[in-house]
Amino acid sequence: EPEVTQTPSHQVTQMGQEVILRCVPISNHLYFYWYRQILGQKVEFLVSFYNNEISEKSEIFDDQFSVERPDGSNFTLKIRSTKLEDSAMYFCASRADRISYEQYFGPGTRLTVT
Amino acid sequence: QQPVQSPQAVILREGEDAVINCSSSKALYSVHWYRQKHGEAPVFLMILLKGGEQKGHEKISASFNEKKQQSSLYLTASQLSYSGTYFCGTELNFGNEKLTFGTGTRLTIIP
Repeated sequence: EPEVTQTPSHQVTQMGQEVILRCVPISNHLYFYWYRQILGQKVEFLVSFYNNEISEKSEIFDDQFSVERPDGSNFTLKIRSTKLEDSAMYFCASRADRISYEQYFGPGTRLTVT
Repeated sequence: QQPVQSPQAVILREGEDAVINCSSSKALYSVHWYRQKHGEAPVFLMILLKGGEQKGHEKISASFNEKKQQSSLYLTASQLSYSGTYFCGTELNFGNEKLTFGTGTRLTIIP
């Protein structure tokens, strides 16, 4: 069964460093998302992406964050200058098309900022 | 504004029933239900669209009361595999592209 994959599974970085989290959505899916979940808390929407542009973003998704689909398969989230409070699990999700509601989540990348 | 879920946590014996509620102060287009097991990604259960329909998935079903802007998830004859945290995610408009999740309900099933 097709699935969303994410790399790395765990990333440790120092405050102020740039990180890139990578996701490979399900092939032929058209909508892509990033969410984060601080340990023990709820899942928070960061950004949605469709047709090579951001369609919606939350207040969390400030200038330190960017997303990109550099080729036909990868979908990346970049954090330019990480802060301690960026430590969280980051989930990528994809959705097939406009009429399909189910979002398929990847296994997540645990980001630890020290 | 995030939806409010209740209860925050519930412990059941295997075979018992549970109801999890999700309320919004805003008019909703849809409510999505997800289950997340510890250390894993959320898994989609079902979606309810405005119109008050009820849906079912094995022994898990849900309803959406458009007047109250409240959705309820019903788990009947609970199994050990139902343990996890249940999140509702709400969408304000079709194509809004932003799913706002509630704080979650931790469900523990004991033998």
